[in-house]
Amino acid sequence: EPEVTQTPSHQVTQMGQEVILRCVPISNHLYFYWYRQILGQKVEFLVSFYNNEISEKSEIFDDQFSVERPDGSNFTLKIRSTKLEDSAMYFCASSDLDSLWGTEAFFGQGTRLTVV
Amino acid sequence: KNQVEQSPQSLIILEGKNCTLQCNYTVSPFSNLRWYKQDTGRGPVSLTIMTFSENTKSNGRYTATLDADTKQSSLHITASQLSDSASYICVVGRSNDYKLSFGAGTTVTVRA
Repeated sequence: EPEVTQTPSHQVTQMGQEVILRCVPISNHLYFYWYRQILGQKVEFLVSFYNNEISEKSEIFDDQFSVERPDGSNFTLKIRSTKLEDSAMYFCASSDLDSLWGTEAFFGQGTRLTVV
Repeated sequence: KNQVEQSPQSLIILEGKNCTLQCNYTVSPFSNLRWYKQDTGRGPVSLTIMTFSENTKSNGRYTATLDADTKQSSLHITASQLSDSASYICVVGRSNDYKLSFGAGTTVTVRA
C-alpha cells in the first residue's frame, strides 16, 4: 500500500540552526501539506502546496518557514533559524485531489523535532 | 471562530464493549468532516470522511454520524479491541480554503 514517508524520524537541533524536514508523498498525489503537533496539543495546519506553489498558509508559517519540491518526489519543510517553541512533531500529508472536497489526506509517520 | 470540540477528553472501556465519541464544530463554511485514528507517536490515519449530504458512514467496527444542521458528529466503536486504544481526532474541512481544523482528540484506552 502506498504511503507517505518522512525523514528523519527524530531530529535534534540547536536553537538558531537551520533544519530541513523531508517528505516523500504518495507518487500520484498532487496536493501536499505540512502540519505540526506540539506535545499534548492539537494538530495544527502549517501550509498547503499545489502546482509548485503555496496554496494556503497559516499564521504559524512565518518567514522562518519555507517549503520546496526540489524534484518530482520530495517535499521539504525548512525552518531557517529554529526556536525552542518549534519543538513539535511535524507531519507531512498528501492527497490526489483537493482535500477540501472530502478526498482522503494521507499522513506520514511524522518527524519529531527537538530544539535545544 | 472555526473550532472543533471533542468529548470526552478520554475514556477507558473494557474489551468487547461499545463506546461513542462526540464532536461539535463551528467551522464554516462546512465542506467535510473526518475522523482520524492516531496511535501514540504516529501520524493520523483516516477512518471516515463525510460531506454535508452524508449522515452516516461505516468503516468496519467504526461508524460515524453527521448532523450538519446541529453541527455535531459522533464516532461509534463497536466491540472494542485492544488495538483500538488510540487518540480519535475529529477534523473539519472548510469549503473556502485548504485548511483542516483539528479537534484535540479523545484518548480511548481499551483494557482486557
